[in-house]
Amino acid sequence: AQKITQTQPGMFVQEKEAVTLDCTYDTSDPSYGLFWYKQPSSGEMIFLIYQGSYDQQNATEGRYSLNFQKARKSANLVISASQLGDSAMYFCAMREGGGGSNYKLTFGKGTLLTVNP
Amino acid sequence: EAGVTQFPSHSVIEKGQTVTLRCDPISGHDNLYWYRRVMGKEIKFLLHFVKESKQDESGMPNNRFLAERTGGTYSTLKVQPAELEDSGVYFCASSQGGSAMGEQYFGPGTRLTVT
Repeated sequence: AQKITQTQPGMFVQEKEAVTLDCTYDTSDPSYGLFWYKQPSSGEMIFLIYQGSYDQQNATEGRYSLNFQKARKSANLVISASQLGDSAMYFCAMREGGGGSNYKLTFGKGTLLTVNP
Repeated sequence: EAGVTQFPSHSVIEKGQTVTLRCDPISGHDNLYWYRRVMGKEIKFLLHFVKESKQDESGMPNNRFLAERTGGTYSTLKVQPAELEDSGVYFCASSQGGSAMGEQYFGPGTRLTVT
């Protein structure tokens, strides 16, 4: 079974609107971390936001917020006020276990976001 | 502060040849990782160094892949001999030791094409 599922291969959004990118995960470990990365056409992977499994509040970083629904095992990324520069591939990833032990990330297949002017 | 750098950015080699990829992590980061994305598939973990030691190499596909991290600084990933299925983008990432979040900072990747 896939551990990280991103069901939207591609998404379109109008500039200045908000968009939600879906991510569901599967783990039996009570301690885990969820990450979102952005990969623009230039190829580098840019860390956006992190949510720990024990965090009580949803993570926010500027225009990025993570809608964490633990019971549903979902960690959707919300981008507010989309900009043309937000056009990129977005990856959801999970680290199982506490930060002091198992460090490797498991990635989803990604969602290609296109922001239209 | 310089980010993670990788060299080369692109490499085209013939089947059976050898290629060596290099990664320079962020200065002071003890943890160094290698990942690979094969066309159309997920980014997959290959291995994890803590300083110069291999912490986890469970993702290495086979013994044609050899990773080293000399002196706990830069790392190399050698593929010998290369096969067609080795084509993809190889990412290196690094993170600080002792970080509860453990966010990993990625390099730009090396695009490897085996013909």
